[in-house]
Amino acid sequence: QLQLEESGPGLVKPSETLSLTCGVSGDSISNIDSYWGWVRHPPGKGLEWIGSIYFTGDTYYNPSLKSRVSIFVDTSKDQFSLHLTSMTASDSALYFCARHQRNRGSSLDSWGQGTLVTVSS
Amino acid sequence: QSVLTQPPSVSAAPGQKVSISCSGSNSNIGTNFVSWYRHLPGTAPQLLIFDTKERPSGIPDRFSGSASGTSATLGITGLQTGDEADYYCGTWDDRLSAWVFGGGTKLTVL
Repeated sequence: QLQLEESGPGLVKPSETLSLTCGVSGDSISNIDSYWGWVRHPPGKGLEWIGSIYFTGDTYYNPSLKSRVSIFVDTSKDQFSLHLTSMTASDSALYFCARHQRNRGSSLDSWGQGTLVTVSS
Repeated sequence: QSVLTQPPSVSAAPGQKVSISCSGSNSNIGTNFVSWYRHLPGTAPQLLIFDTKERPSGIPDRFSGSASGTSATLGITGLQTGDEADYYCGTWDDRLSAWVFGGGTKLTVL
């Protein structure tokens, strides 16, 4: 049973960098059929894909966030991380990590419970 | 402005059927599989449909998916009050080299 768990600070100051980590258990992050993504849900808005990474380190980013986003993978720890720079109030959201299944149309079939991030001084 | 266009809301009575549309383009729905998600704010989204029309184990056959050209549709029959949620379509966009979600549709079961 795959489990994903986000961890990181719940409060970030404006202009600072958000760092979140997603721990993967029940599957190897090096599974060739999977890649790993971050999605957020700002209050009152829709789901927004942030970016995804393959175990090789290949990354894909939302064009609207690309200048501020970096995603890293640590295969030795079965975890991947999100860095989002220059945080503003509009980045306040519930942040999820999730798995894409390549053999299921890259659908996001497993999700973490989410971690709430608030940007405030 | 989402790359995939969904109606903001739909509604129907219990027991009835509803369809939720997702309109895209040749670089996304016209080329790649579509998936659908149910989301209750504050909780993790749930995959309902993958590969445009396939259901993961545990998803009842009241939920169905289809596509034609650059549009996809989620169908829900036998509506229940528990189906009230936000529903999102998603797919890969080859032109953007990015995953894209629709703007979401709020389902109300009257």
